[in-house]
Amino acid sequence: DAGVIQSPRHEVTEMGQEVTLRCKPISGHDYLFWYRQTMMRGLELLIYFNNNVPIDDSGMPEDRFSAKMPNASFSTLKIQPSEPRDSAVYFCASSPNTYEQYFGPGTRLTVT
Amino acid sequence: DQQVKQNSPSLSVQEGRISILNCDYTNSMFDYFLWYKKYPAEGPTFLISISSIKDKNEDGRFTVFLNKSAKHLSLHIVPSQPGDSAVYFCAANRAGSYQLTFGKGTKLSVIP
Repeated sequence: DAGVIQSPRHEVTEMGQEVTLRCKPISGHDYLFWYRQTMMRGLELLIYFNNNVPIDDSGMPEDRFSAKMPNASFSTLKIQPSEPRDSAVYFCASSPNTYEQYFGPGTRLTVT
Repeated sequence: DQQVKQNSPSLSVQEGRISILNCDYTNSMFDYFLWYKKYPAEGPTFLISISSIKDKNEDGRFTVFLNKSAKHLSLHIVPSQPGDSAVYFCAANRAGSYQLTFGKGTKLSVIP
């Protein structure tokens, strides 16, 4: 199994631009999670899906952030417009209906 | 409000000795605890877990201890190896939820 796949691995963009992060979960996993990691706040859960349905988006910082899961093998996290304070590493994780989550390699986002 | 706390940002240990990483939590609703290991430029990987009905779980060189009355858990690595050098995250889960709350991590350095 290829594991959780995220793209791009690195993204550098200018303030005000739209950013789209992509995730392919492990096949057969029912749960998908989006996290953000920063030095100040550590690893924070932004949103998670169960069977493609968003369950809890209380961690999404602002309306500038949105996430979708159109099918079981693909999810996107979009930031529009992006701001310098959005600079962080964004992780996607999936889970087969257990407590253990399997993380992707992350996308390092830099907004200048 | 940080519900899962790892108060030591870093720890250095000699190769062959024991590494002890600590974690405290405040939410009494947490009933399942996990440790993740993270290398630079990679996502966290699951290491070991423990249910609140147990006080110890062992897997090879790794042992996790849980003290529910003190709301404290620890990860013991014996013997420590240079390849164990990584950031270790403690995570907790509430019954009925697949949402994990993470600590900020402890960077372990094992010195050859």
